[in-house]
Amino acid sequence: EADIYQTPRYLVIGTGKKITLECSQTMGHDKMYWYQQDPGMELHLIHYSYGVNSTEKGDLSSESTVSRIRTEHFPLTLESARPSHTSQYLCASTWTSGNEQFFGPGTRLTVL
Amino acid sequence: AQSVAQPEDQVNVAEGNPLTVKCTYSVSGNPYLFWYVQYPNRGLQFLLKYITGDNLVKGSYGFEAEFNKSQTSFHLKKPSALVSDSALYFCASSNTGKLIFGQGTTLQVKP
Repeated sequence: EADIYQTPRYLVIGTGKKITLECSQTMGHDKMYWYQQDPGMELHLIHYSYGVNSTEKGDLSSESTVSRIRTEHFPLTLESARPSHTSQYLCASTWTSGNEQFFGPGTRLTVL
Repeated sequence: AQSVAQPEDQVNVAEGNPLTVKCTYSVSGNPYLFWYVQYPNRGLQFLLKYITGDNLVKGSYGFEAEFNKSQTSFHLKKPSALVSDSALYFCASSNTGKLIFGQGTTLQVKP
């Protein structure tokens, strides 16, 4: 098992709430990623970071934001959750582009 | 633009039979190619990768994949399927540091 953690694993919240999904890794990886996995199973990159104080938007537009203040921590925040945000969110990390990414267990978010 | 395609939504095989899960890619330059597996309510687990060198790559749990540059394919194979191999499989490519995933293929192995 990879040393990458996500909390909470499951979250059910009401519309309009602010939430933060946590992701931490203990492998010292510089590169970290957030993916959104929709019910049709496809994975889409929504944010990535190549180091502290570096964040970029991914290929799929997302209303969420991320921060990278510490190497090991890459939280994702939704300021005002909506039902369209219901999805599974997967965090990943790696050393370099040629290496495999290690994935956390995911957070399954349901917005009512 | 970089893309990965998995043409089959689902593959069904009988236990003990060989399995193949197909993947084709469209990437400029030399691609890095990966296979991942996802079990229910879990994150993705790395199976194997092709960076350069031998076209036949061996990975975890008895899986292997063959890189075919002329056909731009990277099919996942296993000589003898197990019921426990039933899961969702993703092919992915990367040449920019970001992974591009295929749509995923559900593998169902029946006893």
